[in-house]
Amino acid sequence: QSVLTQAPSASGTPGQRVTISCSGGSSNIGRNTVNWYQQLPGAAPELLIYNNNQRPSGVPDRFSGSKSGTSASLAISGLQSEDEADYYCATWDDNLNGYVVFGGGTKVTVL
Amino acid sequence: QVQLQESGPGLVKPSETLSLTCAVSSYSISSGFFWGCIRQPPGRGLEWIGSMSQSGRSYYNPSLKSRVTISVDTPKNQFSLKLSSVTAADAAVYYCVRHRIAAGGSPYDAFDIWGQGTMVTVSS
Repeated sequence: QSVLTQAPSASGTPGQRVTISCSGGSSNIGRNTVNWYQQLPGAAPELLIYNNNQRPSGVPDRFSGSKSGTSASLAISGLQSEDEADYYCATWDDNLNGYVVFGGGTKVTVL
Repeated sequence: QVQLQESGPGLVKPSETLSLTCAVSSYSISSGFFWGCIRQPPGRGLEWIGSMSQSGRSYYNPSLKSRVTISVDTPKNQFSLKLSSVTAADAAVYYCVRHRIAAGGSPYDAFDIWGQGTMVTVSS
């Protein structure tokens, strides 16, 4: 059972906008910034979004992040076939002296 | 570019200690950042194990803390994970990561560099 809650799956057709949600609580998302990681099939995860809405160099601007209260979202605009992957949210949780927590992951399928 | 490379035995016996080494290239560990490990059981999600800085400051996942030791070897520019008393539940792909601390002081900003991962099986 993950501390952060994500829907297990999401899907869309090429060109569509897909949104993935990440729900937490006051000790984690409510107090700290959120990251998103993309894991392509058979590969290691890569940082996709940091500090709620910042993209590392090289990440396409069709990926965007936002945070409100104890929830965060990742939006993929203009969905492409190469976006088919697992997406994980993560943040710091202030309980138990503090630790990093992940969501369970959302598999995005491009139909 | 900065690269992390995991190495270690792919098979560990139950009750024994899992040892993993992460070699860092194109960046000096002594220059900063924290260095950590994350695991992913087959078909499942990510679990952070812990992280340590070159100065010895560390953070660990509370659920694993009693069994985990992470150490940093600055002369060899590598860091290591030891996980004791392993069981089948510890079988996973283990990733080495660079752990970035937030500018404002929060202990976590992002894992911005990842190794390719190494599969560890637990079996007698």
